Amino acid sequence: QKEVEQNSGPLSVPEGAIASLNCTYSDRGSQSFFWYRQYSGKSPELIMSIYSNGDKEDGRFTAQLNKASQYVSLLIRDSQPSDSATYLCAARTLNTDKLIFGTGTRLQVFP
Amino acid sequence: ETGVTQSPTHLIKTRGQQVTLRCSSQSGHNTVSWYQQALGQGPQFIFQYYREEENGRGNFPPRFSGLQFPNYSSELNVNALELDDSALYLCASSSPLAGVYEQYFGPGTRLTVT
Repeated sequence: QKEVEQNSGPLSVPEGAIASLNCTYSDRGSQSFFWYRQYSGKSPELIMSIYSNGDKEDGRFTAQLNKASQYVSLLIRDSQPSDSATYLCAARTLNTDKLIFGTGTRLQVFP
Repeated sequence: ETGVTQSPTHLIKTRGQQVTLRCSSQSGHNTVSWYQQALGQGPQFIFQYYREEENGRGNFPPRFSGLQFPNYSSELNVNALELDDSALYLCASSSPLAGVYEQYFGPGTRLTVT
C-alpha cells in the first residue's frame, strides 16, 4: 500500500466549475499536509498547507482535512484553463521534515 | 526575498560517472531537502540537511551523498551513475520554526544518464 494515494486522472472539468482533488494517506502519525501544483516540465509550487481537521480557504482554493478518515482534499473554485496542471498531495509525519508525496492528479480545465 | 535556486538546469552524464548538483536555499531558510522525481511519479525524499548535518534519509543507496555549507547552500553528489538515476532532482528549503513546515522547491536539475 502506498503511503499517500491519489487518483492519477486526468480529471477534466469545464471552465468555471469546481475541481475536487482527493488524497488518502496510510500513516496515522502524519501531522501536516500540503498541496503542490506542478506544470509540465516545471518544479512543484506550494499552494496550500493544512495542519488541523476542517477546512482552510485561500482565494479560490480550499483544503479539507479529515484525520479520522485519513483523507485530504483540495477544491478549486471557478476553475480556469491556467489551473491545468498536476496536483501533488504530500504528508509530513511527526518529528520529521520528510514529505511523502502521492503520484499526483492531472487536472484539465477546458474552455 | 530570493527564492531557491539550483544549478545546473540540465545535465547529461554517462553511466558510471559522478555528478554534483547545487542548491541555494531561500533567504532565511536553514534547512535543505533533496528529492528525486522520475517521470510520472511524485518526488521521492533523498535526504535533508539542517545546520550542516544530515537530518533524515530516504531509501537511497550510499552513492547518494550530500553536504550543507555554513550559508545553508547544499550539494547533492551521486557516484557511479546508473541509467535509473535519470530524473528531475529537486531541492527544497524550509525553516521549521513554530510548527511551520512548508517546503519551497527550486526549479530543479534535469539529469539524463546515457
